[in-house]
Amino acid sequence: GAVVSQHPSWVICKSGTSVKIECRSLDFQATTMFWYRQFPKQSLMLMATSNEGSKATYEQGVEKDKFLINHASLTLSTLTVTSAHPEDSSFYICSATRGGTNDEQYFGPGTRLTVT
Amino acid sequence: AQKITQTQPGMFVQEKEAVTLDCTYDTSDPSYGLFWYKQPSSGEMIFLIYQGSYDQQNATEGRYSLNFQKARKSANLVISASQLGDSAMYFCAMRESGSGGGADGLTFGKGTHLIIQP
Repeated sequence: GAVVSQHPSWVICKSGTSVKIECRSLDFQATTMFWYRQFPKQSLMLMATSNEGSKATYEQGVEKDKFLINHASLTLSTLTVTSAHPEDSSFYICSATRGGTNDEQYFGPGTRLTVT
Repeated sequence: AQKITQTQPGMFVQEKEAVTLDCTYDTSDPSYGLFWYKQPSSGEMIFLIYQGSYDQQNATEGRYSLNFQKARKSANLVISASQLGDSAMYFCAMRESGSGGGADGLTFGKGTHLIIQP
């Protein structure tokens, strides 16, 4: 199978602090990872596309200086929410693909961020 | 305009009945893929079924089948013999081929909350 993990699964942080979320592909090499955000009772919205060794591509309306993405290896991508505010509270989900244009995306279990 | 439209915010279905979840999409890309995911209350996204735009036959995976009507741009999910464990949010999603040749993120619909009643 293709397993993607996220850490932490749940985090509470104070307003103004930064928090890092990790996304790992456990049994395959992921050339591309995606970060999604899901507000309560809403759909998933793509935030950014992350390719190993290059800068992430952000969707329109997503602040790249606020949501820092690093894809330093073929098995790890990190999302850092900088200077978090209560409106950043959300469910953050990553997915990973092995590569190619028609490859399945394997989703992580998600990270629930609450900013107080 | 929305790229993925799911018109049923919620559905109640009796156990063992078949259920159809609607999904229409909008794209001018000749090459695209359509996905259905199940999201239980735990939040994980569970892949159910995939249909490529060039696939001639409707996709099937166990109790799940996708009723793909390309001309109508519809990709409804059919769950046969529903079970209590099928209660969850269901999302239709699309991947367009994009321009760069690399992998592309998914665009999701708003979802349908399916509740199976005993």
